[in-house]
Amino acid sequence: DQQVKQNSPSLSVQEGRISILNCDYTNSMFDYFLWYKKYPAEGPTFLISISSIKDKNEDGRFTVFLNKSAKHLSLHIVPSQPGDSAVYFCAAKLSGGSNYKLTFGKGTLLTVNP
Amino acid sequence: GAGVSQSPRYKVAKRGQDVALRCDPISGHVSLFWYQQALGQGPEFLTYFQNEAQLDKSGLPSDRFFAERPEGSVSTLKIQRTQQEDSAVYLCASSLTDTEAFFGQGTRLTVV
Repeated sequence: DQQVKQNSPSLSVQEGRISILNCDYTNSMFDYFLWYKKYPAEGPTFLISISSIKDKNEDGRFTVFLNKSAKHLSLHIVPSQPGDSAVYFCAAKLSGGSNYKLTFGKGTLLTVNP
Repeated sequence: GAGVSQSPRYKVAKRGQDVALRCDPISGHVSLFWYQQALGQGPEFLTYFQNEAQLDKSGLPSDRFFAERPEGSVSTLKIQRTQQEDSAVYLCASSLTDTEAFFGQGTRLTVV
């Protein structure tokens, strides 16, 4: 039973355009969300996060939007660059005592074409 | 080193063989995690240490899996009597309390 879902296995965009990666979750107890980026043969690298008390967090070219009522978050990359090509994982944490454990989606492979 | 270091990077084991995977976390990081990532899947939680204490091992798939962190720094994940379904990338991560986790490069285990 997948509690964090990334329904698009892959996404291809043109350099300079916007990339939008989507993530849905089912557990309403999740209160902190993270995006990780993973290159082949490397471990996931933290990219950006958002707390459930916010609906937007921005860091340079990366913005994460959270819609709690829809249990949906998205990562926007503007403008997209070829170096952004990687697998992007959405992850969520529970509130309270289990707030150390990350639940990941299956990932979305982003390809940015020059 | 500056990051989380895992060894070996690759391990091929014959079915039934025991393996030990090592993780050197970032110095000073209290929390240490092990995750298992099967092909085409996201990482799945295995176990969590706070210093030397193993506070959660709910994700370990069977009693063939055992993890330790005796001095609150280096951790070892041991898998006994490996089976083909154990083939995966094993990721170690560390963090300061309540901050984002930093992952190592992983150990790719292939059981033949």
